[in-house]
Amino acid sequence: AQSVSQHNHHVILSEAASLELGCNYSYGGTVNLFWYVQYPGQHLQLLLKYFSGDPLVKGIKGFEAEFIKSKFSFNLRKPSVQWSDTAEYFCAVNPISGGYQKVTFGTGTKLQVIP
Amino acid sequence: DGGITQSPKYLFRKEGQNVTLSCEQNLNHDAMYWYRQDPGQGLRLIYYSQIVNDFQKGDIAEGYSVSREKKESFPLTVTSAQKNPTAFYLCASRPGAGNTIYFGEGSWLTVV
Repeated sequence: AQSVSQHNHHVILSEAASLELGCNYSYGGTVNLFWYVQYPGQHLQLLLKYFSGDPLVKGIKGFEAEFIKSKFSFNLRKPSVQWSDTAEYFCAVNPISGGYQKVTFGTGTKLQVIP
Repeated sequence: DGGITQSPKYLFRKEGQNVTLSCEQNLNHDAMYWYRQDPGQGLRLIYYSQIVNDFQKGDIAEGYSVSREKKESFPLTVTSAQKNPTAFYLCASRPGAGNTIYFGEGSWLTVV
């Protein structure tokens, strides 16, 4: 069974600092990978996704993530965070095998950006 | 407008009662999901359905039941067998395998 690990549970950064949130998954086959964001009081929305091709994926609001297959990782990055990036971030993995639909999320990372 | 509608948004129930949370989508999506979100535990998959009249258990299905009689509807029943039912429940859907999942706004269930 697949699983997702997000090792940073709570991250506090000052504005303009760089961000990297870790995501590791366990599944031996081909996967689709996602990062979702949940702003305070709002519902979950997609930040970016990796399906195939270039392992460096760019998403909304200046976020990007790099898929490293050998490390089973899909870390989220942003060069310079803003106060408005304060939110909870979730990584998710979806095995691709014969229409397999199960999508597993990590435990989330709460990001607090201090002005 | 297209989207996923969950109701009710807030629900209070007494211990020992079953409760059903509604999830309707008008996006014509094949797959639908129920997740439970608890602080520090992220989103945990309860049940998912790939097509009408078919559904599979997720990682924490005990104490829950679902049905998928129509493509647009995927109700979740929280039974009295669920040991810790108080939580935030999220319904989601997507067109098919390999696509983005879209979420509803969630339902808060409090069991007292």
